[in-house]
Amino acid sequence: NAGVMQNPRHLVRRRGQEARLRCSPMKGHSHVYWYRQLPEEGLKFMVYLQKENIIDESGMPKERFSAEFPKEGPSILRIQQVVRGDSAAYFCASSPRQNSNYGYTFGSGTRLTVV
Amino acid sequence: AQSVTQLDSQVPVFEEAPVELRCNYSSSVSVYLFWYVQYPNQGLQLLLKYLSGSTLVKGINGFEAEFNKSQTSFHLRKPSVHISDTAEYFCAVSVTDKLIFGTGTRLQVFP
Repeated sequence: NAGVMQNPRHLVRRRGQEARLRCSPMKGHSHVYWYRQLPEEGLKFMVYLQKENIIDESGMPKERFSAEFPKEGPSILRIQQVVRGDSAAYFCASSPRQNSNYGYTFGSGTRLTVV
Repeated sequence: AQSVTQLDSQVPVFEEAPVELRCNYSSSVSVYLFWYVQYPNQGLQLLLKYLSGSTLVKGINGFEAEFNKSQTSFHLRKPSVHISDTAEYFCAVSVTDKLIFGTGTRLQVFP
């Protein structure tokens, strides 16, 4: 029973390139959450998705960032035209229910470095 | 708005000593509270959670936390730490469809 799988583990992009981060939730989990962890900071909520729907994107930057969770395949967090300030660890979590009261299962994260 | 404050950014402690990591929250509604641990270069692992019932919650790896509504606190404790407990610890509060995290406390256990 694999946990939440994120890939790649490490991603290096030059300024202006695109970054695509993938997340496969645990089996049976249809709710996916993306968080960003900047150096020396806690995790900040970005977006909450259910299959084919964005439920809450209140934490997403207004430009360059987008997320999807298609009917088939992993959830994708896409960052266009990356800048140095996008360098961070991006964590995906999944849960079997909408309510976060039960907590999530987190993946190991993707560490994005923009050079 | 709900928020979480972790009062100590770093806590150094010797092996086998007791430790307490402090967490205070602010919320105008019923709260559900969590502690997560993050080992270097890894994701977050759930240590324990408070949803309702007994205010003393026991978690994995010998950790426990006490929910104190009057003091709006949810401090994490362990009576005797081990070198392997060295990690970053995050307190979080549930807000409908998401978790709000504190800024973390780095626990450093020395031999």
